[in-house]
Amino acid sequence: QQPVQSPQAVILREGEDAVINCSSSKALYSVHWYRQKHGEAPVFLMILLKGGEQKGHEKISASFNEKKQQSSLYLTASQLSYSGTYFCGTEVGGTSYGKLTFGQGTILTVHP
Amino acid sequence: DVKVTQSSRYLVKRTGEKVFLECVQDMDHENMFWYRQDPGLGLRLIYFSYDVKMKEKGDIPEGYSVSREKKERFSLILESASTNQTSMYLCASRIRDSSYEQYFGPGTRLTVT
Repeated sequence: QQPVQSPQAVILREGEDAVINCSSSKALYSVHWYRQKHGEAPVFLMILLKGGEQKGHEKISASFNEKKQQSSLYLTASQLSYSGTYFCGTEVGGTSYGKLTFGQGTILTVHP
Repeated sequence: DVKVTQSSRYLVKRTGEKVFLECVQDMDHENMFWYRQDPGLGLRLIYFSYDVKMKEKGDIPEGYSVSREKKERFSLILESASTNQTSMYLCASRIRDSSYEQYFGPGTRLTVT
């Protein structure tokens, strides 16, 4: 079952903040965040692991609530380059070939 | 830089044709994945492979098969293409550790008429 992302779309002006949420009905081992610009491949942003470890870009922040099986991606002081579709991918169990189940995506548009 | 390449950016096939989508990665990654992307549905996993000749079904494997004869190459096969398989297909690869990121290819836009 796919995780649920909210909101489905958000429109910002440069400099504004946004939060994108990802919620799963299953106990999670990790949450992965990717951004995809129109016509391009998804690009890695961040991984949040059970136990608190995070890996990702310095300018991106996110949280992972293991008890609620929820993650949030925080985009602060947005720039035009932040525009794109954001996907969360969730992993159940930490096997060496753990598969990700992606949400439906959140479309972020940043205007000047 | 990790590079994942896919054989075609755009492909048009007729119903009933056998279709091969090729994916090659140059970073010696053990794990490779095939997704399809449809508006409003996000990325859905079709098949993945965790080693040469090893494969596992993803969430929507019906109508697809895969082949991994060499570590760097992962092929997606549509045995008899149907119009409901018109979609964007993305390949990805990753090292054998799920705490690391997946690297995606540019995608193949397949249209089945």
